[in-house]
Amino acid sequence: EVQLVQSGAEVKKPGESLRISCKGSGYSFTSYWISWVRQMPGKGLEWMGRIDPSDSYTKYSPSFQGHVTISVDKSISTAYLQWSSLKASDTAMYYCARSGDPWGQGTLVTVSS
Amino acid sequence: QSVLTQPPSASGTPGQRVTISCSGSSSNIGSNYVYWYQQFPGTAPKLLIYRNNQRPSGVPDRFSGSKSGTSASLAISGLRSEDEADYYCAAWDDSLSGPEVFGGGTKLTVL
Repeated sequence: EVQLVQSGAEVKKPGESLRISCKGSGYSFTSYWISWVRQMPGKGLEWMGRIDPSDSYTKYSPSFQGHVTISVDKSISTAYLQWSSLKASDTAMYYCARSGDPWGQGTLVTVSS
Repeated sequence: QSVLTQPPSASGTPGQRVTISCSGSSSNIGSNYVYWYQQFPGTAPKLLIYRNNQRPSGVPDRFSGSKSGTSASLAISGLRSEDEADYYCAAWDDSLSGPEVFGGGTKLTVL
């Protein structure tokens, strides 16, 4: 079964750093792009960016370029989304997806002082 | 404001046919495939339609997608109460908005 399993919920303070993960299983991890999608509370889906696990080539949405970093460790079939300095406005559910199907279960990130 | 435009809400009664529209431009829907996702409250989105009109295995044939020019539509026939969910369209975008963009989502209510 193809699966993406994301890391657990996080509660952070503004200014802190964070890395969340997305582990793929049941398929050839390097054969499909991994995308990250943000969903703020009560809002719609926003595409953040994607990475090609075979060569780590990344493409970001202009809205997120410079604010987050997407990376991958293909040796453990895991993709990452990281922030160097969180803001309260980063509070949201974050999903990873394998070229649109399937999606991970989501990681809730709460940033509050 | 989303790059792709969807109506915020739609509704129908059981058994009816409902369509949800998705409007874009030449840089996205006009030149790329359209995808549709279904999302129930508190759960991750699920792929419903890919490449304009293809259904992944397991998706009932009551769901169908179409595209014409810079617009696309999702049709749900034989509406059921369990179809009540949020629906999002998406497409790759060749402009600076991209490379992938979503619609704002449509909340479908089954009356």
